[in-house]
Amino acid sequence: SQQGEEDPQALSIQEGENATMNCSYKTSINNLQWYRQNSGRGLVHLILIRSNEREKHSGRLRVTLDTSKKSSSLLITASRAADTASYFCATVYNTDKLIFGTGTRLQVFP
Amino acid sequence: SQTIHQWPATLVQPVGSPLSLECTVEGTSNPNLYWYRQAAGRGLQLLFYSVGIGQISSEVPQNLSASRPQDRQFILSSKKLLLSDSGFYLCAWSSRQGALGEAFFGQGTRLTVV
Repeated sequence: SQQGEEDPQALSIQEGENATMNCSYKTSINNLQWYRQNSGRGLVHLILIRSNEREKHSGRLRVTLDTSKKSSSLLITASRAADTASYFCATVYNTDKLIFGTGTRLQVFP
Repeated sequence: SQTIHQWPATLVQPVGSPLSLECTVEGTSNPNLYWYRQAAGRGLQLLFYSVGIGQISSEVPQNLSASRPQDRQFILSSKKLLLSDSGFYLCAWSSRQGALGEAFFGQGTRLTVV
């Protein structure tokens, strides 16, 4: 399967703490993307990092990419209860196939 | 601005009945279109994707099929539903400007086969 793996599967933290999620994938990629999904809703794009980039920031989000290890991480700093959601990484294979990882369920307690 | 419409939001269908889910995109042309299925608490499984009218790539050959009769219309169908077809179906579009960029998702259809 081309699907990536994410860990942890679930993560529970307190407000104000940082949350780190990891994603591993299997073949060479053009870019890697992170998405968020609130329960029962569609996915929302958060950030895209290209294969020639190593780190990218967007607000409280920091994404790293290590193509030698075929892995990426998403860091959410100073988490809020509203960050509670599932987070998915997605990679582009063969130009047009967008494949999602298994996801991390994040619970942030007030 | 671009928008994506997916309907219906929920659907309860008996085993053996047909299925037709429709997805339309506005505000863009020649998008890549995708159908995903998500089991409860799980990741997204790519079912079909299309890079143009009439061009359908199948990732999971089952009793589902997809069609793209118009540039911005993507339809997921089944002639006879199975219990295992229950799930959350998501349509998405993306544009490829040199490389595939971010995808935009519809709100999903929750299908329950009874």
